[in-house]
Amino acid sequence: QVQLQESGPGLVKPSETLSLTCAVSGYSISSGYYWGWIRQPPGKGLEWIGSIYHSGSTYYNPSLKSRVTILVDTSKNQFSLKLSSVTAAETAVYYCARVVVDSSGAHYGMDVWGQGTTVTVSS
Amino acid sequence: QSALTQPASVSGSPGQSITISCTGTSSDVGGYNYVSWYQQHPGKAPKLLIYDVSNRPSGVSNRFSGSKSGNTASLTISGLQAEDEADYYCSSYTSSSTVVFGGGTKLTVL
Repeated sequence: QVQLQESGPGLVKPSETLSLTCAVSGYSISSGYYWGWIRQPPGKGLEWIGSIYHSGSTYYNPSLKSRVTILVDTSKNQFSLKLSSVTAAETAVYYCARVVVDSSGAHYGMDVWGQGTTVTVSS
Repeated sequence: QSALTQPASVSGSPGQSITISCTGTSSDVGGYNYVSWYQQHPGKAPKLLIYDVSNRPSGVSNRFSGSKSGNTASLTISGLQAEDEADYYCSSYTSSSTVVFGGGTKLTVL
């Protein structure tokens, strides 16, 4: 059974960098799929942040691209998110998920999700 | 990229059927058969209900079905049950190799 677990600081100061890790169990990241990050501000909808393949190939939301870095660590079977220069508006629940893709990398959907971790941006 | 358009809320009585629409453009919904739907109960992570417009993952009830016409995708829930009360989100792959979500629809079972 594939499981994903997010971890990281629950409080980040404005203008600083948000850093989260997603640990994957029950499946080897190196075996396939893309692995992604999605966030949800309180009371609002879902926003796709980006995704990564075990080779390091990435796709990012254009509105966040200049501030986002997603990395993969196959030795630890985990991937991570870094979002720089955060503002209070980026307070949200951050989810990691497994992304189903076709041979060209087109994203079908996200079939396994972590439980989510709340990150508050505040001084 | 602009969010896909969903109605903010829909409602129905137990046993009835409801349909939630998801409207995009030819660069996302209309251009690819990579539309998926998610169900989210309060305080929980989203759950994949439909992928590739109309396919259900193993374990998802056949009361949930998806379709697409032009730039609009739809999720139909038949035989409404109290447990179906939740938020529903559509998403689509885009021509920019990204993913875009809809704004979400709150389903109320009367």
